[in-house]
Amino acid sequence: EPEVTQTPSHQVTQMGQEVILRCVPISNHLYFYWYRQILGQKVEFLVSFYNNEISEKSEIFDDQFSVERPDGSNFTLKIRSTKLEDSAMYFCASRLGPRAGNTIYFGEGSWLTVV
Amino acid sequence: SQQGEEDPQALSIQEGENATMNCSYKTSINNLQWYRQNSGRGLVHLILIRSNEREKHSGRLRVTLDTSKKSSSLLITASRAADTASYFCATDAVGGSEKLVFGKGTKLTVNP
Repeated sequence: EPEVTQTPSHQVTQMGQEVILRCVPISNHLYFYWYRQILGQKVEFLVSFYNNEISEKSEIFDDQFSVERPDGSNFTLKIRSTKLEDSAMYFCASRLGPRAGNTIYFGEGSWLTVV
Repeated sequence: SQQGEEDPQALSIQEGENATMNCSYKTSINNLQWYRQNSGRGLVHLILIRSNEREKHSGRLRVTLDTSKKSSSLLITASRAADTASYFCATDAVGGSEKLVFGKGTKLTVNP
C-alpha cells in the first residue's frame, strides 16, 4: 500500500534553532497536512495545504511555523526558532481528494525534542 | 468544543476476547475515521465510515455510527496480543474546516 514517508524519524535540537521536517506524501494525493502530538496528549491539527497554498491553519500554527512544497514530491514543515514546548511528534498526512469519503493517511511521524 | 472523545480511556482484555471502544462527538460530521497507534509510532488508518452509513466491517473490525447520538463504536473481535495499541477516532465536521479532530484515545492491552 502506498505510504506517507517522513524524515527524520528523530531530531534533537537546541532551543532557538531552526528545524525542517520533511514529508513525501502519497504520489497522487492533492491535500496535505501537518499534525502534532505532544507526549500523552491528543493529536492536534496544525495546517492544511492544497493547490500550493495554506487552506487552513490552527492557533498553534503561528509565525514561527511555515510549510512549503518545494517540488512535486516533498512537503516540509519549518519551525523558525524552536521552543521547549515544540517538543512533540509531528505527523504529515495526505488525502487524495476533498473530505467526503476520503481517507487521510498519516506518516510514521518525526519525533522532535527541543532542549 | 471537544470532538471525538473515546471511552474507556484504557481497556485490558485476554487474547481471544472482543474489545469495544466508543467515541462521542459534538457537531455534525462528514466522516468518522478510526486509527491505531502503536506506542511511539505513526497513525495507521483502520476504517472510515461516512455520515450516511451505519455500520462497516473490515476483517475483525466492526464500526458502527449513530449520528442521532453522535457516537461511534469500534469492535475488535477475537483479539490478539498484536492488537495492543491506542485507538483513536477522528472526525471532520460539516462546514468549511479541513481538519480532523482527534480524541485522547483508548489504550487497549491484549494479554496473551
